[in-house]
Amino acid sequence: NAGVTQTPKFQVLKTGQSMTLQCAQDMNHNSMYWYRQDPGMGLRLIYYSASEGTTDKGEVPNGYNVSRLNKREFSLRLESAAPSQTSVYFCACQGNNSPLHFGNGTRLTVT
Amino acid sequence: AQRVTQPEKLLSVFKGAPVELKCNYSYSGSPELFWYVQYSRQRLQLLLRHISRESIKGFTADLNKGETSFHLKKPFAQEEDSAMYYCALRADSSYKLIFGSGTRLLVRP
Repeated sequence: NAGVTQTPKFQVLKTGQSMTLQCAQDMNHNSMYWYRQDPGMGLRLIYYSASEGTTDKGEVPNGYNVSRLNKREFSLRLESAAPSQTSVYFCACQGNNSPLHFGNGTRLTVT
Repeated sequence: AQRVTQPEKLLSVFKGAPVELKCNYSYSGSPELFWYVQYSRQRLQLLLRHISRESIKGFTADLNKGETSFHLKKPFAQEEDSAMYYCALRADSSYKLIFGSGTRLLVRP
């Protein structure tokens, strides 16, 4: 039972490149989330998905897109990476009346 | 708009000293408050939530609606408490969890 799995763990991109961060959960939870963590800023919500087939913008959605492929998977895509998107990205899932369960994070550097 | 404020970026105490990590929130409705912790090289995990009114690893937190605060307290800090602590708020009927900027607790021997 892995919980929430994120891939890759590390990634370096050049400005303008695109990539997709993958997230999968085996907890059968309805809600899934993408956060970014930056020093002094804490965790900021990028996008979330309350259930399969729905997605909503969080606090900082610009420059990102998401796909809730099925109940298990929620991917985050950067179409044209910018240095400002250098961050640690966390995926999380949540069931009814349960806390957020986080993945181990993806450390992204955009040069 | 909902907001969570953690005024201290870093809190450094000696082992055995009392600890209080401050958290204030702004929200006009009935919030649900949480404390999450991230130990070195580990994933974020729930420490406690106000509706549980429990003590986890010696930590407690009381929701004070009058002062809109949810401070985390521990009477005697241990070195293994060193970590990053995040206060978070969920507005009623919302799926979103809003986090504060975090406080790094350093417990020195």
